[in-house]
Amino acid sequence: SAVISQKPSRDICQRGTSLTIQCQVDSQVTMMFWYRQQPGQSLTLIATANQGSEATYESGFVIDKFPISRPNLTFSTLTVSNMSPEDSSIYLCSVERTIATEAFFGQGTRLTVV
Amino acid sequence: EDQVTQSPEALRLQEGESSSLNCSYTVSGLRGLFWYRQDPGKGPEFLFTLYSAGEEKEKERLKATLTKKESFLHITAPKPEDSATYLCATSGGSEKLVFGKGTKLTVNP
Repeated sequence: SAVISQKPSRDICQRGTSLTIQCQVDSQVTMMFWYRQQPGQSLTLIATANQGSEATYESGFVIDKFPISRPNLTFSTLTVSNMSPEDSSIYLCSVERTIATEAFFGQGTRLTVV
Repeated sequence: EDQVTQSPEALRLQEGESSSLNCSYTVSGLRGLFWYRQDPGKGPEFLFTLYSAGEEKEKERLKATLTKKESFLHITAPKPEDSATYLCATSGGSEKLVFGKGTKLTVNP
């Protein structure tokens, strides 16, 4: 398994501002993933972050809204830009041991936009 | 499109009352089916991976089983500390995890 540290654990932000979420893994991993978990909904993949290349975004998510950095094999950030109340959600980073195997998650960031 | 449906949405049990959670799935080329436990305010915690129909995995009071269309998470003699949301996910040809909405389990003492 992997130990994943995510911060902040929660934040309350004003609409129109941006928040950057950090994710640190205790071992080197090729791919890191960012998910969104809205109340009563399943986890939805936002993007896959590869070191040394641009992130790959899922349908419905765009780089301008959710820019991602992946400067090395143990760290990634997700920024939620120009926030609105609809962005209130839990954001989770995860890693997989190998492709399409079990994923391990950080503790999540609970974001509330007011 | 891969889909995962979990039922029931919520389940309330008395301590010691065994039951099962269901996860129905449609996926092209199943690579694995995963069960997670999620406590309030925390990220999902990995429980089991099942790879093929007929496979079973056990951990303490939990047992996961898999058929070609669904998986069950059996909870035997649950305790209040088993209260959590249980998530099911699949990985198929797209190599991406697809999650169900979860079953919120409450075990009353």
